[in-house]
Amino acid sequence: KQEVTQIPAALSVPEGENLVLNCSFTDSAIYNLQWFRQDPGKGLTSLLLIQSSQREQTSGRLNASLDKSSGRSTLYIAASQPGDSATYLCAVKGFQKLVFGTGTRLLVSP
Amino acid sequence: DGGITQSPKYLFRKEGQNVTLSCEQNLNHDAMYWYRQDPGQGLRLIYYSQIVNDFQKGDIAEGYSVSREKKESFPLTVTSAQKNPTAFYLCASSIDQGAGELFFGEGSRLTVL
Repeated sequence: KQEVTQIPAALSVPEGENLVLNCSFTDSAIYNLQWFRQDPGKGLTSLLLIQSSQREQTSGRLNASLDKSSGRSTLYIAASQPGDSATYLCAVKGFQKLVFGTGTRLLVSP
Repeated sequence: DGGITQSPKYLFRKEGQNVTLSCEQNLNHDAMYWYRQDPGQGLRLIYYSQIVNDFQKGDIAEGYSVSREKKESFPLTVTSAQKNPTAFYLCASSIDQGAGELFFGEGSRLTVL
């Protein structure tokens, strides 16, 4: 059974700092891994999708990497801004289903 | 603009009542999903549909029902049999059930009084 863990559960940083969010999974037989952002009381916004054959994806200040052999993905946020404050979730798509982590709540202070 | 529309955004229900949450997408996606989100827990799959007139139970289908009569629409009914229905409900879609990107609506918050 696939299990997805996100550490830390919460993170507080000053504006301008570069930061890394972690996502680990137990079963390396995956189709893809997707990172989402969720603002309070809102739906999930897709940030990056990494297919199993890819090592990383980039969008603006965001870079996501995938290491299937070690069961890890990282989301790198460069030059963080207060508008980046949100909960970040990763989701792993296996052959049968999509499994979500419980998220990392990020607060970026001005 | 293409996207997923959920309604209502907030809904209050008395115990014993059935309620239906609407989900409409104009992305021309075949696959649609309903998730439930509770504080401190990951999203849990209620039902999913890969194609019109077909749907499958997810991990927590008891007390819920769905229909998929049109490609664009996948309504979720929360029945009185659902013992703890107060939650945030999220609808999602993808081009198919394979490795495609998943897109979400804005969610519906149901509160049972």
